[in-house]
Amino acid sequence: NAGVTQTPKFRILKIGQSMTLQCAQDMNHNYMYWYRQDPGMGLKLIYYSVGAGITDKGEVPNGYNVSRSTTEDFPLRLELAAPSQTSVYFCASSSTGPREQYFGPGTRLTVT
Amino acid sequence: GQQVMQIPQYQHVQEGEDFTTYCNSSTTLSNIQWYKQRPGGHPVFLIQLVKSGEVKKQKRLTFQFGEAKKNSSLHITATQTTDVGTYFCAGPGGSYIPTFGRGTSLIVHP
Repeated sequence: NAGVTQTPKFRILKIGQSMTLQCAQDMNHNYMYWYRQDPGMGLKLIYYSVGAGITDKGEVPNGYNVSRSTTEDFPLRLELAAPSQTSVYFCASSSTGPREQYFGPGTRLTVT
Repeated sequence: GQQVMQIPQYQHVQEGEDFTTYCNSSTTLSNIQWYKQRPGGHPVFLIQLVKSGEVKKQKRLTFQFGEAKKNSSLHITATQTTDVGTYFCAGPGGSYIPTFGRGTSLIVHP
């Protein structure tokens, strides 16, 4: 099992550009989450999904969009990138909802 | 929404000293999880506590859930340099989402 995979590992974007952060899991987990982590800070929830076709906003959804067409994949879309979106983005999945989450290795994004 | 407060934010110790981080909630938690994040890495699930007064051990790590289920602690005995990282607690923030504490960063000086 690969667990939770994320691509790319690193990315530099110019202000106003768009990109999609990919997340995939092979554990057949229904619950998937996107977090951002700023230096020295905790994890802030951006969006989450409780199953294919079902998504909902977390604490900091502005500037982001998600889709969940399959159980395995949960891409995060950034439209019109801004410097405030410079962060490390983690995707996580779980079979039990908010408990025992498995995290991907993260994508380190810089917007300049 | 529900919040969990974690203290201290940072802790410097000499290798071999003990370390404790605390997680507190104003409301009763049905469960609590602990995660470890190594520098430059991703959070890794360590353990889940569910029962009032529960104590679980993993080698040098001891996890406790308070009797009132409003607080939890992680204690590391005789720290090693491999213990360096940030330790997060997480409780239920809603039906489907967790709420994470801000974490305690452990720095171990050899």
